[in-house]
Amino acid sequence: DVKVTQSSRYLVKRTGEKVFLECVQDMDHENMFWYRQDPGLGLRLIYFSYDVKMKEKGDIPEGYSVSREKKERFSLILESASTNQTSMYLCASSLNAFAGRAHPYEQYFGPGTRLTVT
Amino acid sequence: RKEVEQDPGPFNVPEGATVAFNCTYSNSASQSFFWYRQDCRKEPKLLMSVYSSGNEDGRFTAQLNRASQYISLLIRDSKLSDSATYLCVVKRPNQGGKLIFGQGTELSVKP
Repeated sequence: DVKVTQSSRYLVKRTGEKVFLECVQDMDHENMFWYRQDPGLGLRLIYFSYDVKMKEKGDIPEGYSVSREKKERFSLILESASTNQTSMYLCASSLNAFAGRAHPYEQYFGPGTRLTVT
Repeated sequence: RKEVEQDPGPFNVPEGATVAFNCTYSNSASQSFFWYRQDCRKEPKLLMSVYSSGNEDGRFTAQLNRASQYISLLIRDSKLSDSATYLCVVKRPNQGGKLIFGQGTELSVKP
């Protein structure tokens, strides 16, 4: 069964702290994504990785960085947490190639990390 | 203008009702479309892809109108378990596996 896991369900951090959010998938997917979800704004893409050590900025990368040293793991880093980064963070993964697949581009999500920055 | 727009609702309907959600997208070059479902405090999951000819999966029917750039989801004979937020999703043209998510339409089915 497809599985994406995230290191924490709930996290409380102080302003200025460095925060690491970890995501692991066991499906050998090439693509991995980090989103944040806020009421009224939906899911917004922060960063995307299509291969080990490869990354691309999403729509709202400011204040975030990412690391992908192994195919199964994609980390989101908040270098200096701020209160406006309080949000639900969702990691997802998907396959690159889609030939013959029933649902190309399907993204599988982890359970999310609710981060509160005080 | 948002790339993907949905009526946020909430839609409150009785069990057994038929309910329809619409979604509009701004990029006419978009090729792939989906509906995801997100239960309260859970992660989004793919409900169904949307094909040009329209497609049905049990009580759910998805339609695509390219000329007007809108996608619809029809749910017949609503069940209590259909209560969730429904996300309209469009693949970004020529950008690999990136998807654009609408903000979601909340559905509440009452007994």
